[in-house]
Amino acid sequence: DQQVKQNSPSLSVQEGRISILNCDYTNSMFDYFLWYKKYPAEGPTFLISISSIKDKNEDGRFTVFLNKSAKHLSLHIVPSQPGDSAVYFCAASRGGGTSYGKLTFGQGTILTVHP
Amino acid sequence: GAVVSQHPSRVICKSGTSVKIECRSLDFQATTMFWYRQFPKQSLMLMATSNEGSKATYEQGVEKDKFLINHASLTLSTLTVTSAHPEDSSFYICSASLWGSNEKLFFGSGTQLSVL
Repeated sequence: DQQVKQNSPSLSVQEGRISILNCDYTNSMFDYFLWYKKYPAEGPTFLISISSIKDKNEDGRFTVFLNKSAKHLSLHIVPSQPGDSAVYFCAASRGGGTSYGKLTFGQGTILTVHP
Repeated sequence: GAVVSQHPSRVICKSGTSVKIECRSLDFQATTMFWYRQFPKQSLMLMATSNEGSKATYEQGVEKDKFLINHASLTLSTLTVTSAHPEDSSFYICSASLWGSNEKLFFGSGTQLSVL
């Protein structure tokens, strides 16, 4: 049972435009959501997170939006840069700090930003 | 940022052999490390939580006798796939947390295991 889903395996965007990566979840117990970025031959690295008590969190070019009623979150990258090309994973956890490290991941979306 | 080193990056072995994968936190101490597995076109799935000085906690459906985890020190956890079979072929990746925080969860680069 895939509790966190990224339905788009890939996304291609022009440099300077907005990239929107989507993620859906089914478990209403999830209360913390994270996005990780992964380059080839490297492990995922933390990008941005959001708690379920918020609906938006912004960090520079990256903004994560959470719609709890729809069980949907999205990552916006504006403006997109070629260096953003990577695999992006959505992840969720529940129980706050007591469950750190116990993340449920989506399948990942390959983002390609063309110059 | 903190570095987690994982070795080997790739291993090919014969069916029935055992394979050991090492995960080291290079510049911080990790009382807890996590082991994930990813099958092709699927997501990373948590296998077990490795606790320094105590037994690992396995997720439902993961065979503890098949996947032996040893967390002998604050900087090293090992995963041994015992009597490997082709169905164990997968991408294994470890992670360790700094300050017990998901934001400070650092991943190794992963190990691609292929069992012939």
